[in-house]
Amino acid sequence: ETGVTQSPTHLIKTRGQQVTLRCSSQSGHNTVSWYQQALGQGPQFIFQYYREEENGRGNFPPRFSGLQFPNYSSELNVNALELDDSALYLCASSKSGGPPSGANVLTFGAGSRLTVL
Amino acid sequence: AQSVAQPEDQVNVAEGNPLTVKCTYSVSGNPYLFWYVQYPNRGLQFLLKYITGDNLVKGSYGFEAEFNKSQTSFHLKKPSALVSDSALYFCAVSAYSSASKIIFGSGTRLSIRP
Repeated sequence: ETGVTQSPTHLIKTRGQQVTLRCSSQSGHNTVSWYQQALGQGPQFIFQYYREEENGRGNFPPRFSGLQFPNYSSELNVNALELDDSALYLCASSKSGGPPSGANVLTFGAGSRLTVL
Repeated sequence: AQSVAQPEDQVNVAEGNPLTVKCTYSVSGNPYLFWYVQYPNRGLQFLLKYITGDNLVKGSYGFEAEFNKSQTSFHLKKPSALVSDSALYFCAVSAYSSASKIIFGSGTRLSIRP
């Protein structure tokens, strides 16, 4: 089975620009979660998508938005980039028989490292 | 609100010795608890989880963790450390009531010396 793949692996943007990060779920998984991991810190929950709708959100401003597509892949969009947005962005997929549960195991991709100058 | 604390930034252990990585949590209601490991330039990998039942949970690579409800702890343990266990370890918690939100600790770097 294929794992979670993310693209691009690295990118550099300037303050004020917009960025789109992409994620392909592991085969058989229907739920996608996005996390931001700043250097030396643990992953911070951004949001989760299930059935193409947002299903839970962390403490991130509206300029962080996402999409989930019918094939369960997902995008994370960040507008008006700030220097503090520099981080590793992790996508994780999971399999839910019904509405996602906090008991579901997450399968992570290797991440997209964003640098904002 | 749920939270998780990993009080040690780094744990150093000699190969062959037992290791413990500490984790405490705060959550309303019954917790779901996890340990994940992160190797350099890679995403997090699942090690083990506690949902309900036996307080001692066994996971991948010989790791185990003990759920202690009275102390709100979920420490990760291994009887005999290997150099290849050196990595960054994250404890995570979720609550039944919060559905999808899984919260991670700040991580503990485990260093095993030969």
